[in-house]
Amino acid sequence: DAGVIQSPRHEVTEMGQEVTLRCKPISGHNSLFWYRQTMMRGLELLIYFNNNVPIDDSGMPEDRFSAKMPNASFSTLKIQPSEPRDSAVYFCASRARALNTGELFFGEGSRLTVL
Amino acid sequence: EDQVTQSPEALRLQEGESSSLNCSYTVSGLRGLFWYRQDPGKGPEFLFTLYSAGEEKEKERLKATLTKKESFLHITAPKPEDSATYLCAVQAYSGYALNFGKGTSLLVTP
Repeated sequence: DAGVIQSPRHEVTEMGQEVTLRCKPISGHNSLFWYRQTMMRGLELLIYFNNNVPIDDSGMPEDRFSAKMPNASFSTLKIQPSEPRDSAVYFCASRARALNTGELFFGEGSRLTVL
Repeated sequence: EDQVTQSPEALRLQEGESSSLNCSYTVSGLRGLFWYRQDPGKGPEFLFTLYSAGEEKEKERLKATLTKKESFLHITAPKPEDSATYLCAVQAYSGYALNFGKGTSLLVTP
């Protein structure tokens, strides 16, 4: 079975540009998470979807960040406009249909550099 | 607020030199404690879940234990391929997501 698939793996952009990160969760998983990882802050939760519905977006830094999950097999995280402080590795993770508990399965991440 | 603190931040071992990594946590009702391994440029890879104090889980050279305040990841006779960052995370009964510590970077030299 394919794992969580993220694209692009690397993105370099200039400040002010729009960035869109994409995620395909594991088939059959009903929960999807977006995390951001930096050296300073480690892994931070940005947003959590359950059955394609955003449940908790309290970790989204500000209005420049938005996330969607139009169907069970696809999610996007958009940053507009991007800033240098958004540089980080962004991970998508999914979890199987099981009472909101259990391990998360992570993708390989999207490394974003904003110049 | 849930807190997860891992120590040490970095650890260097010689091949065969056993040691332990620590994860201290505070959470309002622990639903589960998770250990992950992360290699450079990769996503975290699941290792173990522990649910209650006294529980232990083993996988090859790794053994995870849990008390009411902390968890240990014991590494017995490590090999260079065990070099990675080890992440600890907790999930509260009231929450959906995992709250991660900053990790311990382990280097095992031949």
